[in-house]
Amino acid sequence: DQQVKQNSPSLSVQEGRISILNCDYTNSMFDYFLWYKKYPAEGPTFLISISSIKDKNEDGRFTVFLNKSAKHLSLHIVPSQPGDSAVYFCAASAKSTQGGSEKLVFGKGTKLTVNP
Amino acid sequence: DAGVIQSPRHEVTEMGQEVTLRCKPISGHNSLFWYRQTMMRGLELLIYFNNNVPIDDSGMPEDRFSAKMPNASFSTLKIQPSEPRDSAVYFCASSLAPFDDSEQFFGPGTRLTVL
Repeated sequence: DQQVKQNSPSLSVQEGRISILNCDYTNSMFDYFLWYKKYPAEGPTFLISISSIKDKNEDGRFTVFLNKSAKHLSLHIVPSQPGDSAVYFCAASAKSTQGGSEKLVFGKGTKLTVNP
Repeated sequence: DAGVIQSPRHEVTEMGQEVTLRCKPISGHNSLFWYRQTMMRGLELLIYFNNNVPIDDSGMPEDRFSAKMPNASFSTLKIQPSEPRDSAVYFCASSLAPFDDSEQFFGPGTRLTVL
């Protein structure tokens, strides 16, 4: 049962255009969301996160939008660059009743290719 | 800091053999995680430790899998006996705290192939 779903295995965009990566979740208890980026032969690296008390978080070219009612978040990359070509993982966690957060649940990833 | 270190980077073994994956977390990090990445299931958490103590091993697929953390700077994930369906990339990650909005830093992974 996939609690975090990335329905697009791949996405291809032209350099300079906007890349939009989507993520849906089913667990309404999730309150913290992250995006990780992974290059081939490397481990995932943290990119950007958002708390459920916000609906937008921006960091340079990267913006994450959260729509709690739709249980949907998206990552926007503007403008896209060839170096952004990587696999992007969406992840989510819920607050634990014992304090802190529950474990991260990851989606399967979306492979982004930015063409020069 | 060198980041999270994993060894070996690649492992090819035959079915039935014992496989040991190793991880050195970032110094000062209190939490360590083992993940497995496959095409079918994506990135899934196998087990995590906090202050060298296993906290949640509910993701460990079978008794063939075991993990230890004898000290703050070393952890192993062992598969005995290995099976072809264990073929995957195994990642180790560490963080300052377990899941408390603390960023997890991943190692480069070990690509395991079981023939």
